[in-house]
Amino acid sequence: AQRVTQPEKLLSVFKGAPVELKCNYSYSGSPELFWYVQYSRQRLQLLLRHISRESIKGFTADLNKGETSFHLKKPFAQEEDSAMYYCALSSYNNNDMRFGAGTRLTVKP
Amino acid sequence: DVKVTQSSRYLVKRTGEKVFLECVQDMDHENMFWYRQDPGLGLRLIYFSYDVKMKEKGDIPEGYSVSREKKERFSLILESASTNQTSMYLCASSSGGHSGANVLTFGAGSRLTVL
Repeated sequence: AQRVTQPEKLLSVFKGAPVELKCNYSYSGSPELFWYVQYSRQRLQLLLRHISRESIKGFTADLNKGETSFHLKKPFAQEEDSAMYYCALSSYNNNDMRFGAGTRLTVKP
Repeated sequence: DVKVTQSSRYLVKRTGEKVFLECVQDMDHENMFWYRQDPGLGLRLIYFSYDVKMKEKGDIPEGYSVSREKKERFSLILESASTNQTSMYLCASSSGGHSGANVLTFGAGSRLTVL
């Protein structure tokens, strides 16, 4: 069965500090990993996906199959990064999507 | 611009009532999903559908059913609402079908309170 674990429910950093949101997964096949973000009073939306190997809003995430992790990182946090972040997993060539419990990031001025 | 529209933003129902939550997408997406979002629990998959009249149970299907008679519409039904079904319900859709294409677009959510 697929499982996504986000060990931190809350994370608080100061503006300009590095930030890392942790995500671990368990899945026996080839996973596809995603990060979704929900800003205050907005819809949940895609932030980035591992297959694209892209940086969005300064965030990156690397899939580490050995550690079964997909941590989200940003070197210099901004106040506008404050939001709820969800890690998600989809099985390869399948149509489902499972989410973690989410991490609420607060970036303090 | 993909639109996923959930018909009701806020609903208040009584225990035992039958509740319908409607979701419509306008991008001809194959897949549609229903999640409930609870603090500390994240998004939990209730049901998803990969084609008209097809449905798959997610992780918490008990107490819920779904209907997909048309490609653009996916309904979530609570046959007999209970207080533990008080939650935010999120509908999503995706084109799916091949690697990397399963990116979900979400609706605004329907906040259901069962008294």
